[in-house]
Amino acid sequence: GAGVSQTPSNKVTEKGKYVELRCDPISGHTALYWYRQSLGQGPEFLIYFQGTGAADDSGLPNDRFFAVRPEGSVSTLKIQRTERGDSAVYLCASSLDGGFRYTEAFFGQGTRLTVV
Amino acid sequence: DQQVKQNSPSLSVQEGRISILNCDYTNSMFDYFLWYKKYPAEGPTFLISISSIKDKNEDGRFTVFLNKSAKHLSLHIVPSQPGDSAVYFCAASAESGGSNYKLTFGKGTLLTVNP
Repeated sequence: GAGVSQTPSNKVTEKGKYVELRCDPISGHTALYWYRQSLGQGPEFLIYFQGTGAADDSGLPNDRFFAVRPEGSVSTLKIQRTERGDSAVYLCASSLDGGFRYTEAFFGQGTRLTVV
Repeated sequence: DQQVKQNSPSLSVQEGRISILNCDYTNSMFDYFLWYKKYPAEGPTFLISISSIKDKNEDGRFTVFLNKSAKHLSLHIVPSQPGDSAVYFCAASAESGGSNYKLTFGKGTLLTVNP
């Protein structure tokens, strides 16, 4: 597709379960970002990939959260032992190169995660 | 603590008039600022940006003004159109330390342009 694709669009899971959220970036984009938007808040940084490696994962809230990008394209955000506080819209973005300053980054539509 | 603040949760203007959306920041290390527009069920889309070496950037109907001494920026939309109705996010990044990939967002302002 032409844009950043995130699947699923919506995910409802029970507290304590494991979830995976997928992001397909724009082809050729080396930089990939995950942000999380809680209700009534702006998006918050989670993790930044440059190629296959996580260049900065300082935004991940705790060790229940993990993200991978094994081939430098698709990325998966993994959340273990989900809690109700994890409920949010998880946004993925990609850009040709790293950073928002010199190249435009494009966001996907997000995955709305609801933990019940 | 919120480093980027958008103190107006909502704003309503008439079509054809000017919309002014405000944003304040506290972190003096921020040197690049962006505005994003978000429609429901869509991801944010980039609108306009400004570097801290400038005080104004204009792109069509959209102009961003930066007042570094006041740590304040504003987005002006002239003339406003009904299609501009969306949530507008102000975001900031710091080039120092190479962290220009890490945006700090405000909570957003819902703009409604009435026909």
